[in-house]
Formats: sequence, C-alpha cells, structure tokens
Amino acid sequence: DTAVSQTPKYLVTQMGNDKSIKCEQNLGHDTMYWYKQDSKKFLKIMFSYNNKELIINETVPNRFSPKSPDKAHLNLHINSLELGDSAVYFCASSHGEGALGETQYFGPGTRLLVL
Amino acid sequence: ILNVEQSPQSLHVQEGDSTNFTCSFPSSNFYALHWYRWETAKSPEALFVMTLNGDEKKKGRISATLNTKEGYSYLYIKGSQPEDSATYLCASNQGGKLIFGQGTELSVKP
Repeated sequence: DTAVSQTPKYLVTQMGNDKSIKCEQNLGHDTMYWYKQDSKKFLKIMFSYNNKELIINETVPNRFSPKSPDKAHLNLHINSLELGDSAVYFCASSHGEGALGETQYFGPGTRLLVL
Repeated sequence: ILNVEQSPQSLHVQEGDSTNFTCSFPSSNFYALHWYRWETAKSPEALFVMTLNGDEKKKGRISATLNTKEGYSYLYIKGSQPEDSATYLCASNQGGKLIFGQGTELSVKP
C-alpha cells in the first residue's frame, strides 16, 4: 500500500487554466505538507495543515489554495496557472506538527508543466 | 528562513569506496536535522532524524553524525554499492518547517 499518494503524476496544461493536485495519506498522520521543487532543485515548503487547520503558509501567491477535507487528504488548487508554476510538487505527512523532529513521509511528486 | 548548504554537489566513486558528505545548517534555534535518500522519479526516503548534539545514527552501511553547536552533520557510506546511487538531502527543521539543502548527488560505478 502506498503511504502517501498523489494524483496525477503528470499534468500538462495551458497558461491561465485552473488545476488541482490531490494528496492522500494512509498513515494516520495529523499533519500534511505541500512542497515545491524549484528550478534549482531545492524542495521548498509551501503549506502545512494539522487536523485540517492551516499552520504554515510560506507567502505563496494566493492563486495557490490548499484544501483539506479531512486529515487524510490535502489537495492543492492552483488558479490562473502561469509559466513559472511549472515544477514538481510534493506532498508529505507526519505525526504531530513537525516541530519535534518527526519524520516527514513524501509522496512521489506531481510534475506540472504549464505551456 | 536560514539556509542549509550541502557539499559536495556531486560525487562519483567506485564500488567499494567509502565516502562522506557534509550538511551545514543554522545552529541557532535548532530543532532537528533530517537526512533523506532520493532516487530519480521516486519519493524522498527518510534515513535519519537527529536531534541531540553528538548524536550518531546508523542504518546498515550508512551512518550520520550531528554537531548542533557548530551547525554541521556528516553522512558516511561505507563500501559504496551501485544501488547507493541517489541524491542525499539534508533538511533543518526550523519550527516545524523543513528547510532543505540542494542535495549531494552520488554516483557509484561498478
């Protein structure tokens, strides 16, 4: 069983479209995260949710809106896609809020290409 | 957010060689230091979480040490094998946020 899963794996879309990426974890974790792998291949935190409540928001443009329907799911909706949004997006989850050094478990990534 | 740096950026070794790489992180307000192994097209896989100064952790042929006072961690691989080829990431936990370094890309030739 996949612990942290993301759909879709690949997403090719036109500039200006709205798209969503879904993330699900079956580990019973309380906290979920979205990371973006930038052009220099750094993984950068975007958001985290603990029990459906937003706890980290790293000044990401408000075109990006995370939605957590329950603690096992954290979806990422992106409005008015721009060329610069092309990247690999990773979802992760952990017990607790991460501040005590809990391991974060990552999904396989979603490769987004905006044309 | 304070930077995390890893060196070298890439490393090419022969099968059987032992190798090590470095992660430098901000020593102030330290929470934890994470090491991940990341193979292309796969999820980053957690290796170690280290919290205490002087910590040493080991998993098979891979081990890591931690110095929180000076802000560095070393990852060692003993007797490298081709299957060890991957990017090794470290991340500093800064109040619940993982701040990643750019990784060390290891290639082990048979």
